[in-house]
Amino acid sequence: KAGVTQTPRYLIKTRGQQVTLSCSPISGHRSVSWYQQTPGQGLQFLFEYFSETQRNKGNFPGRFSGRQFSNSRSEMNVSTLELGDSALYLCASSSLTGRNTEAFFGQGTRLTVV
Amino acid sequence: SQQGEEDPQALSIQEGENATMNCSYKTSINNLQWYRQNSGRGLVHLILIRSNEREKHSGRLRVTLDTSKKSSSLLITASRAADTASYFCATVTGNMLTFGGGTRLMVKP
Repeated sequence: KAGVTQTPRYLIKTRGQQVTLSCSPISGHRSVSWYQQTPGQGLQFLFEYFSETQRNKGNFPGRFSGRQFSNSRSEMNVSTLELGDSALYLCASSSLTGRNTEAFFGQGTRLTVV
Repeated sequence: SQQGEEDPQALSIQEGENATMNCSYKTSINNLQWYRQNSGRGLVHLILIRSNEREKHSGRLRVTLDTSKKSSSLLITASRAADTASYFCATVTGNMLTFGGGTRLMVKP
């Protein structure tokens, strides 16, 4: 069974640009969550999708958005990039509703904003 | 904001010794999970303990949960150099994982 796949693995963008990151969950998993990891703030929850609906959202500005497609693949978009958006972005998928199940993480997308 | 605080932030031990990491959290939880992260990579799930459980074992891992004190501990016995990584506790409220700041463990051969 293939794991969670995130693309691209590395990305360099300029301030003001926008970026789209992609996540393919494990086959059969319907819950996809996104996290931002930085040295200063640690791992922070961005949002969670289940069956194409956003169920939870973290405390991030509206520049951060996401969506989930009917095949459970998910994308997150960051518009008007700022230097502080440089981070490792991690996607995780889980089966059922995710409440009492483990989350499976992808290897992440390392975004650098210059 | 982070729900959990982990202690210590960094731990350095010799191979064969035991490593203990602690996690405290603030709100009520469905369950608590521990994850490992090798440098700059994705997280790997280690163990899940439900809110009505007090202790759980998995191989060389032992996790305890004290909901009255809102704390958990992860014990790795007979550590190996390959255990070198960052370890995070994560609380589950609803469908959301909230991570602690992590403990960086270094196991010296």
